[in-house]
Amino acid sequence: EDKVVQSPLSLVVHEGDTVTLNCSYEVTNFRSLLWYKQEKKAPTFLFMLTSSGIEKKSGRLSSILDKKELFSILNITATQTGDSAIYLCAVVYLSGNQFYFGTGTSLTVIP
Amino acid sequence: KAGVTQTPRYLIKTRGQQVTLSCSPISGHRSVSWYQQTPGQGLQFLFEYFSETQRNKGNFPGRFSGRQFSNSRSEMNVSTLELGDSALYLCASSTGQGEKNEQFFGPGTRLTVL
Repeated sequence: EDKVVQSPLSLVVHEGDTVTLNCSYEVTNFRSLLWYKQEKKAPTFLFMLTSSGIEKKSGRLSSILDKKELFSILNITATQTGDSAIYLCAVVYLSGNQFYFGTGTSLTVIP
Repeated sequence: KAGVTQTPRYLIKTRGQQVTLSCSPISGHRSVSWYQQTPGQGLQFLFEYFSETQRNKGNFPGRFSGRQFSNSRSEMNVSTLELGDSALYLCASSTGQGEKNEQFFGPGTRLTVL
């Protein structure tokens, strides 16, 4: 059975800390992996990763995919309270347009 | 471009009733996917519609159904509501094809079943 597992399930850090969120997957017909941030509303898109070893970066956030070991990490440096959210990763199948989401990592950044 | 819109934003129903939720995708997007989000289960895929046809389906009972219209707007129907159907229902729109095909989410409909 296909699965997407995120770890840790929740995390509490202080402002300024660096965090690494993990997403491992076991799916057939992998096409790409996406990261989303969800605050008290709908998830918003962060990154799409399709190739191994190529880092995607946006400000203090960065992400990389390892298709051999079947995982991705999302790094957040110099965390701020506004980074508090649930971070979701999703795997997209090669055929069709089905997204398979992990259960998310809840990040809380305290001042 | 206007984003994905969902109506209504909040709903309260009782067990046994049925409910219809609506989603209008981003203009030009032909794919609409529906998800159920609960605290314990995360985002669970319900189904995806592309050009008025159901293209993918998750593991939900037949009480959950959907459709898509020629203007790409989609509706989801849940019949014979159960307490466990209380959740945030999210729809997401995308082009539905091509390599760079991220999904854009609507604000969700919060359904409470009493």
